[in-house]
Amino acid sequence: DSGVTQTPKHLITATGQRVTLRCSPRSGDLSVYWYQQSLDQGLQFLIQYYNGEERAKGNILERFSAQQFPDLHSELNLSSLELGDSALYFCASSPRGGFHEQFFGPGTRLTVL
Amino acid sequence: AQKITQTQPGMFVQEKEAVTLDCTYDTSDPSYGLFWYKQPSSGEMIFLIYQGSYDQQNATEGRYSLNFQKARKSANLVISASQLGDSAMYFCAMRGSGNTGKLIFGQGTTLQVKP
Repeated sequence: DSGVTQTPKHLITATGQRVTLRCSPRSGDLSVYWYQQSLDQGLQFLIQYYNGEERAKGNILERFSAQQFPDLHSELNLSSLELGDSALYFCASSPRGGFHEQFFGPGTRLTVL
Repeated sequence: AQKITQTQPGMFVQEKEAVTLDCTYDTSDPSYGLFWYKQPSSGEMIFLIYQGSYDQQNATEGRYSLNFQKARKSANLVISASQLGDSAMYFCAMRGSGNTGKLIFGQGTTLQVKP
């Protein structure tokens, strides 16, 4: 158990819908990262937050947005869903000032029908 | 641009033997970090080992060691005394440039341990 929690574990929805994925980092970790794992794209970095502020942005679609709240949990919002958004979405966290560790949550498997 | 390459899509190893999983990287940054993760069939990503570009010694964590050859830009993972539970997908990753911990991943290597 990495200490990073993600809910829900599985999500099945239809095209055009909107979903919210939730992540709680390890206790004390200030950085939260979101990654997408799909068969065709592999593992891709989406976005990073550090103590509530956006720190880095990767290949995140405009239909996707994220935020980190004062209690450090984070949410990834996916809207106008398409079939190609079906993937495993991971949240990860790392400690303050520490880029030598990054622990992943169990992931949310999103299926868009 | 930064890039991670894992050239072995699949590997087999006999139980109790050692195995090396290859990883090469490309970066122009003088400071970077290299990670290995294990992804079993259940899907979670398990952090195995980290090597910093300025670390003088190769990283080791139990049965895992990282063979870091800076001049060749390689960071191979060595698993000693393979166990059946080591069967999984293994990903090499590099910390991206700038003051961020974002990771760039390779395509992964599937390891199967034979009894």
